[in-house]
Amino acid sequence: EVQLVESGGGLVQPGGSLRLSCSASGFTFRNYAIHWVRQAPGKGLEFVSCISSNGGSTFYADYVKGRFTISRDNSKNTLYLHMSSLRIEDTAMYYCVKDLEPAVFGVLDYWGQGTLVTVSS
Amino acid sequence: DIQMTQSPSSLSASVGDRVTITCRASQSIRSYLNWYQQKPGKAPKLLIYTASSLQSGVPPRFSGSGSGTDFTLTISSLQPEDFATYYCQQCHSTPGTFGQGTKVEMK
Repeated sequence: EVQLVESGGGLVQPGGSLRLSCSASGFTFRNYAIHWVRQAPGKGLEFVSCISSNGGSTFYADYVKGRFTISRDNSKNTLYLHMSSLRIEDTAMYYCVKDLEPAVFGVLDYWGQGTLVTVSS
Repeated sequence: DIQMTQSPSSLSASVGDRVTITCRASQSIRSYLNWYQQKPGKAPKLLIYTASSLQSGVPPRFSGSGSGTDFTLTISSLQPEDFATYYCQQCHSTPGTFGQGTKVEMK
């Protein structure tokens, strides 16, 4: 059974930092690109970042570029999102999401349960 | 970035109704369009990928069509468990942008 379990969310002050983790199981993690997608309270879905299967390629939405860093450790089946210079508007549920198939980028077939990040003073 | 626009933003329908949601891309995305369903407090669920392919385990009352810039999600006969919010998403180019969502409510 595919499982993606996010952790690391919490309350942080504006300007602060946080590291999210996503632990994967039930599939060959090293073969899949993985994405972070967020959802602010009561709002829609928003792409944050993604990383290729071997970690060699990364992409960021403009609103997090330069502040967030995505990485992965395929030996630990774990994805990370390092978040710094956090803003109030970064408050959201952050989902870790895998692609449907290794060769099909961007079809988001399995979502974790999410971890909530709250940026507030 | 490619902009995705869904319509309507919300709709009211009854069990058994045929429901249609549309999604328009700001430029051609060929058939690189996916549909997701989200229920309150839950993560989204993939329903349809590449415009018309039904994800495994999704009931056949859900169908998708379209190509280029205009796409449609149809629920042929709305069931009680289908009241939810639906999102389209393009995966033609990164970032894979989402529509703003369509909330399907009970009439």
